[in-house]
Parts: sequence; structure tokens; C-alpha cells
Amino acid sequence: GAVVSQHPSRVICKSGTSVKIECRSLDFQATTMFWYRQFPKKSLMLMATSNEGSKATYEQGVEKDKFLINHASLTLSTLTVTSAHPEDSSFYICSASGGSGANVLTFGAGSRLTVL
Amino acid sequence: AQTVTQSQPEMSVQEAETVTLSCTYDTSENNYYLFWYKQPPSRQMILVIRQEAYKQQNATENRFSVNFQKAAKSFSLKISDSQLGDTAMYFCAFMSLPHDMRFGAGTRLTVKP
Repeated sequence: GAVVSQHPSRVICKSGTSVKIECRSLDFQATTMFWYRQFPKKSLMLMATSNEGSKATYEQGVEKDKFLINHASLTLSTLTVTSAHPEDSSFYICSASGGSGANVLTFGAGSRLTVL
Repeated sequence: AQTVTQSQPEMSVQEAETVTLSCTYDTSENNYYLFWYKQPPSRQMILVIRQEAYKQQNATENRFSVNFQKAAKSFSLKISDSQLGDTAMYFCAFMSLPHDMRFGAGTRLTVKP
């Protein structure tokens, strides 16, 4: 079946540094990828929609300059948390369309970011 | 904007029994998809079942089935013969085209031995 790989699974960084999270579709081409943020014991909140070769579409309230999204190829989207602060600590999950059939999203395993 | 409501933050069920998780949604669209995802402690989102809004027949996947009431905008999940491995967070999700997916707040299900 379709697999989405997300890396790293865990990352700890110092406040003020930037962190990059990768989301790869391993056996299919994903023209659209999605980035979510999940707080402890909460639901997934859509942050942005990433389309290959074009600028990401951000949800209201999500800072574009804080969360940089790049979708340079049909199999890779990256989320860069710039100048990270402790309040950016969270669980970030990506998903991709086009893998498991029409109108089904395949999710990565998530990345836990801890900012000290 | 579409909203998804799961009114049961937590539920428990005895092993081998049946449990139903509730979900309602609000939309003005006619063409959409509904999903139930399972998130075990590993945090990996696992698709349990999906339903196309244009289909009247309720979807079924082994022990999992849904009761889709389009007019009432209701989409409940029934788990039969509950197993310990079913313990997880369950999220109801609504997707309008193209691929805009929104999640409910989740229901934490515990299957007791």
C-alpha cells in the first residue's frame, strides 16, 4: 500500500534555531500534501496545503514566515519551523493524496518537535 | 465552513462487545467524503473506514461499520466484537474536494479485558 515517510520522528532544538521536517511519498506521486499540527490530547489542525511547484496555501492564523513549506517535487514536501520557540513545540503530521486511491489521504507517522 | 463534532470525549467497552462512536458534521456541500481514522499510542493515523456521500449504502470493513444519515448529517462508527487492539483515539473526518480534510475533536476508546 501507499506509504508516507516523515523524518525526523523526534527532534529537540534550542530556541531561536530552525528545524526542517521532511514528508516523502515513497511509492506514489503526491501532487498535494498537507501539514497538520496536533497538541497533546487534541485533534489535528490543518496548517497548510502544499501543491507541487507552487506556493503553499496557509490556513487562517498560521504564520507563513514561521512555518515555511516547500513542495519542490512530486514526492517531497518540507516544513521548516523558523526561529523556533517553546510554544512551537508540538506534534506535526503530514499527509498526501494520490496513494491509496482517489480521495483518500495517507498519513506520515508524525514528528514530535520539542523546543528548549 | 465545515465543522465536525464528536460529542463523546471518552468511551469504554468490554472486550468482545459492541460500541458506537458518534459524529455529526455541518456542510452546505453535496459532494464530500467522510472518514473514521484511528490513532493508537504510536500516533500513526490509520484509516478505519470511509464513506462517499453520494452512496446510500453504509460502508463496512470487517468488524467496523458506519451508520450514515445524510439528511441528519450524522456518521457514526460501530465496532463489533471489540478487541484490545482497538484501544485508541478515533477521529471522524470530513473531506470536501479537493482533499480539504477536517477532523473532529476525537473520542478516546478503551477496550477493557
